[in-house]
Amino acid sequence: NAGVMQNPRHLVRRRGQEARLRCSPMKGHSHVYWYRQLPEEGLKFMVYLQKENIIDESGMPKERFSAEFPKEGPSILRIQQVVRGDSAAYFCASSSTGQGAYNSPLHFGNGTRLTVT
Amino acid sequence: DQQVKQNSPSLSVQEGRISILNCDYTNSMFDYFLWYKKYPAEGPTFLISISSIKDKNEDGRFTVFLNKSAKHLSLHIVPSQPGDSAVYFCAASSSDYKLSFGAGTTVTVRA
Repeated sequence: NAGVMQNPRHLVRRRGQEARLRCSPMKGHSHVYWYRQLPEEGLKFMVYLQKENIIDESGMPKERFSAEFPKEGPSILRIQQVVRGDSAAYFCASSSTGQGAYNSPLHFGNGTRLTVT
Repeated sequence: DQQVKQNSPSLSVQEGRISILNCDYTNSMFDYFLWYKKYPAEGPTFLISISSIKDKNEDGRFTVFLNKSAKHLSLHIVPSQPGDSAVYFCAASSSDYKLSFGAGTTVTVRA
């Protein structure tokens, strides 16, 4: 009964490199959400995806960040040309429906901790 | 713009006593509220929720109270156990998939 799987758990990148974070939702879940937690802050919504579709990316920074959820394989959060301010914990969550928190509380993965040096 | 605030960054309580965690929100459109629990190096785990049409929801040792007029909710844990030591996040939603989280309260249960 695997939960939401994220990898890698820890990722270190130098400034200017690319970071790729992967998320496999719970079995049977087709809705994926990415949240970011900066130090000493709560989680902040970034993007909501369904298979092959970006539903809402209003929380994504306008540049350097992109996300996808292909028909096959995990969801990918991609950060190009990373800067020190990108250092954070990135959490992926999934749900069985996209009808909001009422019907299916989000199940979170253990996160990827990105450190930019 | 922090729409969900947890003003107490930490709380220390003796085992067996009550833990009370508080949360305030500013967005009157929020109509569903959740508490998540988080251990170090793990993701948040859903704990309990409440709809805005209710003022109380209970699940075992956990009870959430909602005061809509004050835009305030609280989580009561009775009795507190050592395994309850964690960070607790208050979250709110306005009938959609986005959750707005508070900054968290670290609870330490002393033996």
